[in-house]
Amino acid sequence: DIVMTQTPLSLSVTPGQPASISCKSSQSLLHSDGKTYFYWYLQKPGQVPHLLIYEVSNRFSGVPDRFSGSGSGTDFTLKISRVEAEDVGVYYCMQSIQLPTFGQGTKVEIK
Amino acid sequence: QVQLVQSGAEVKKPGASVKVSCKTSGYTFNNYGISWVRQAPGQGLEWMGWINTYNGNTNYAQNLQGRVTMTTDTSTRTGYMELRSLRHDDTAVYYCARVGWRRMDVWGQGTTVTVSS
Repeated sequence: DIVMTQTPLSLSVTPGQPASISCKSSQSLLHSDGKTYFYWYLQKPGQVPHLLIYEVSNRFSGVPDRFSGSGSGTDFTLKISRVEAEDVGVYYCMQSIQLPTFGQGTKVEIK
Repeated sequence: QVQLVQSGAEVKKPGASVKVSCKTSGYTFNNYGISWVRQAPGQGLEWMGWINTYNGNTNYAQNLQGRVTMTTDTSTRTGYMELRSLRHDDTAVYYCARVGWRRMDVWGQGTTVTVSS
């Protein structure tokens, strides 16, 4: 199985300030079809997880442009340009180049 | 709009089986697969498996092989996940999710399964 390792595991951010979460995979997520099968999900408190970013850097429908994804191969980053109160929750990275696996999650809270 | 609506909460005894349903609407059923993901209390997300709704092919997480079966009923646009020989550590919220281009893009509301003696 591909192991996904997120850092940090928790993050306290002042509203309006940027935030960044890293995710590293134990194997390259670049497929021979040219796509990189890497995703970011957010699970707000008491809610269902929802897709934020697909294939490293593509925002899913309705996701605000303050969220951006970057990276390649085995190293990936989610950035929030200016954190808002509604961004609190647990962020998960996920790969699906092989049978899907998730990172441990990063809990984001507001200072 | 795309919706996945799951069956209600279940309480089961150890050793029993549970079958959770996931009724879909708002898209062409056979064009997308269905994945199942679970989340134990206070824990992260665990992928359980996937079913290709077009041909019924499945892939299951290795740790659940032999205990889990995923099926679909195309006539009712519904996916099913059955977990057998339940243990206390199977207590979790179980989610179904639509799968297209390898991404889980729309999720059901979750079904709480409690295993308790």
